[in-house]
Amino acid sequence: DSGVTQTPKHLITATGQRVTLRCSPRSGDLSVYWYQQSLDQGLQFLIQYYNGEERAKGNILERFSAQQFPDLHSELNLSSLELGDSALYFCASSRTSGWPTDTQYFGPGTRLTVL
Amino acid sequence: AQTVTQSQPEMSVQEAETVTLSCTYDTSESDYYLFWYKQPPSRQMILVIRQEAYKQQNATENRFSVNFQKAAKSFSLKISDSQLGDAAMYFCAYRSLNGNQFYFGTGTSLTVIP
Repeated sequence: DSGVTQTPKHLITATGQRVTLRCSPRSGDLSVYWYQQSLDQGLQFLIQYYNGEERAKGNILERFSAQQFPDLHSELNLSSLELGDSALYFCASSRTSGWPTDTQYFGPGTRLTVL
Repeated sequence: AQTVTQSQPEMSVQEAETVTLSCTYDTSESDYYLFWYKQPPSRQMILVIRQEAYKQQNATENRFSVNFQKAAKSFSLKISDSQLGDAAMYFCAYRSLNGNQFYFGTGTSLTVIP
């Protein structure tokens, strides 16, 4: 157990809908990262928050947004969902903002299926 | 499109022997960063070694070294004197200079045989 929790584990929804994925970092970690892993693809970095502020932005679609709250948990919002958004979404956390050299602790992921 | 390719889903090595994990990548940039990460079952992503593309010298960290071939867009990881604790999933990763692109490969699962 990495100490990072993600909810829900599975999510099935329809095209055009909006969903929210939630992540709680390890105790004491200030950075949260979001990654997308599509079928047979590697992890793709989406976005990083550090202590409530956006720190780095990857290949995140405009339909996607994220935020980190004062208690340091983070939410990834996916809207106007398309079939191609079906993927595993991972959250990771690290102690500081020293990305990408900080050790990152990954959550178990949320599997999103868009029908 | 897949930016980082690891063509070996699984590899095994005898303890104390040497193993090389392969990684190729695709980019039109001239400057960028490459990384190898180790992920044990605990799901940490631990940085093993990193290489700046503008540096011609191959990076080394103790028993870990890379063979960076910029023209061929190849970035292999060599683990010498393999130890049981080296058993893990290894990910190759590419990061653009501005940090906006950061991709991991699909990983290579390394087994170390006692």
